[in-house]
Amino acid sequence: GENVEQHPSTLSVQEGDSAVIKCTYSDSASNYFPWYKQELGKRPQLIIDIRSNVGEKKDQRIAVTLNKTAKHFSLHITETQPEDSAVYFCAAQKSVWNKLVFGAGTILRVKS
Amino acid sequence: DGGITQSPKYLFRKEGQNVTLSCEQNLNHDAMYWYRQDPGQGLRLIYYSQIVNDFQKGDIAEGYSVSREKKESFPLTVTSAQKNPTAFYLCASSSREVNTEAFFGQGTRLTVV
Repeated sequence: GENVEQHPSTLSVQEGDSAVIKCTYSDSASNYFPWYKQELGKRPQLIIDIRSNVGEKKDQRIAVTLNKTAKHFSLHITETQPEDSAVYFCAAQKSVWNKLVFGAGTILRVKS
Repeated sequence: DGGITQSPKYLFRKEGQNVTLSCEQNLNHDAMYWYRQDPGQGLRLIYYSQIVNDFQKGDIAEGYSVSREKKESFPLTVTSAQKNPTAFYLCASSSREVNTEAFFGQGTRLTVV
């Protein structure tokens, strides 16, 4: 079955710097890759997603890139702010009939 | 609340007892999921259901059971066979028409006392 690995497990950056979180997946048939943000004590919420027919997607300070050949995708956050501090999860899904599999999460700390 | 509600928010259970966690959604979603969250281990899939009256085991199904008698409801029972049940449990739902966002409930924190 699908396996998603996420790195790093913790990431500390200075306010204003960029942050990059990387994930790899095992099933080449996976075609949907969402990213979720979970603030302390709250539920995970979708921040951006990408499908396999697209190589990159941006939404303001957040971008996701996908390399299907290497089976990895990355989250890029530019100009980080203290409110970006949270746990970030990547996920992969093969089709709507298959399960959504999550990575282990990355704790991002933005120091001001 | 995103249309998906978990109850209760906090739950205490004595060892040897079964306990059922509720998950209800009014989003008309076909797919529903149960995840367990432990510190440093991300979201591990317990069970998922793509359609009423059908469900599949996830990666850590042992000691858990589910039912899907209604589209809106996907309750999770933590049985006495689950050796380490203390955790944060998250329910989610998504549309099955196309790969799209999964909406999460606010979670239930279960503590065995």
